[in-house]
Amino acid sequence: ILNVEQSPQSLHVQEGDSTNFTCSFPSSNFYALHWYRWETAKSPEALFVMTLNGDEKKKGRISATLNTKEGYSYLYIKGSQPEDSATYLCASPESTGNQFYFGTGTSLTVIP
Amino acid sequence: NAGVTQTPKFQVLKTGQSMTLQCAQDMNHEYMSWYRQDPGMGLRLIHYSVGAGITDQGEVPNGYNVSRSTTEDFPLRLLSAAPSQTSVYFCASSYGGVTTEAFFGQGTRLTVV
Repeated sequence: ILNVEQSPQSLHVQEGDSTNFTCSFPSSNFYALHWYRWETAKSPEALFVMTLNGDEKKKGRISATLNTKEGYSYLYIKGSQPEDSATYLCASPESTGNQFYFGTGTSLTVIP
Repeated sequence: NAGVTQTPKFQVLKTGQSMTLQCAQDMNHEYMSWYRQDPGMGLRLIHYSVGAGITDQGEVPNGYNVSRSTTEDFPLRLLSAAPSQTSVYFCASSYGGVTTEAFFGQGTRLTVV
């Protein structure tokens, strides 16, 4: 079992603020790191798949970085909007990709 | 595009009853899986399948059975429901491997009384 942790558990920001949160994973058994966005009453949707140390991914105002040596990934949201309100999940697989281990998520609320 | 279709969305069972959660995908994905989501915990893998006829246990398999007779369908069976199985269940599918993204169903909220 891989121990994947996310912090903070929840976050409230004002519209227009930039924010970031963290996903930690075991650096010794790293194969990939997935970020998902999960809106209330919907299903989780993939944001990024990260594999290489130093990887940076960007989709609009959302970006992510990866540090496999120290075992963490940051998700950044620039200029938060109410539609960014969701729970953001990260997950890391074991070597075959048959089992993924999810963090508990960071719940983001953007206040208009 | 239908993607991953999961039924039912809500279900209430009495302790000891059995039921099957249905999951179907139309993306020709070889890999399918079932997770449960409990308060304060991450999604936990129950069972997975890497292709028709092949299934294996995940992190929390006790009390659940699965089968994979076709590529499209991956039902999850609760043979004798217990209150500890009250949870939200998600089915997911992907092409498999460590870098392919998963597609999730809409979830089933199950309450066992």
